[in-house]
Amino acid sequence: QLQLQESGPGLVKPSETLSLTCTVSGGPISGGGQHWGWIRQPPGKGLEWIGLIYYAGNTYYNPSLKSRVTIFVDTSRNQFSLKLSSVTAADTAVYYCVQTVSGNPGNIWGQGTLVTVSS
Amino acid sequence: QSALTQPASVSGSPGQSITISCTGTSSDVGGYNYVSWYQHHPGKAPKLMIYEVSNRPSGVSNRFSGSKSGNTASLTISGLQAEDEADYYCCSFTSMTTYVFGTGTEVTVL
Repeated sequence: QLQLQESGPGLVKPSETLSLTCTVSGGPISGGGQHWGWIRQPPGKGLEWIGLIYYAGNTYYNPSLKSRVTIFVDTSRNQFSLKLSSVTAADTAVYYCVQTVSGNPGNIWGQGTLVTVSS
Repeated sequence: QSALTQPASVSGSPGQSITISCTGTSSDVGGYNYVSWYQHHPGKAPKLMIYEVSNRPSGVSNRFSGSKSGNTASLTISGLQAEDEADYYCCSFTSMTTYVFGTGTEVTVL
């Protein structure tokens, strides 16, 4: 069964770049119909879709984050990653990596990782 | 893109049925049959409960059902149980080839 696990720093300084990696186990990350994405939840707030990467390499991002977000896949390591630049306190959140299937952004979820933006 | 509108809270007694609404626009909910619903217990990962408006993943109780009319989707929980107490979020595909979540609904079992 496919499992996802996030990893990365739990503390990032303002104006720096947040970098998280999601390791996929139980199956290959490459393959038709499998897409990968990120969703976050700031403390006390709701879920926010960040973006996704299709198996063909196309990427789509939340318009409000588009200028700061990059999602990419490393098939050799069976991982995909998120980079969010110029972070502020508003980017403090639990970040989830997800498997996305057509029309459904959160088919399988990682357990989530809290990232705090603070000096 | 604006978040889809959900009621902040819904409550019901054990055994009752409740319905959570999710209102969007013709550019998201109304334009596509790609509405999904997630159950979120605090401290745990969200769980997919409904996809493509009304389909249940394997292992999800048939007490959960989804529907859509125009720009509004709905999640109904029948035979409410204590374990159903959680936050619920809808999500829709959009005309910008993105996804947008709802504002979230806290379900309380009285």
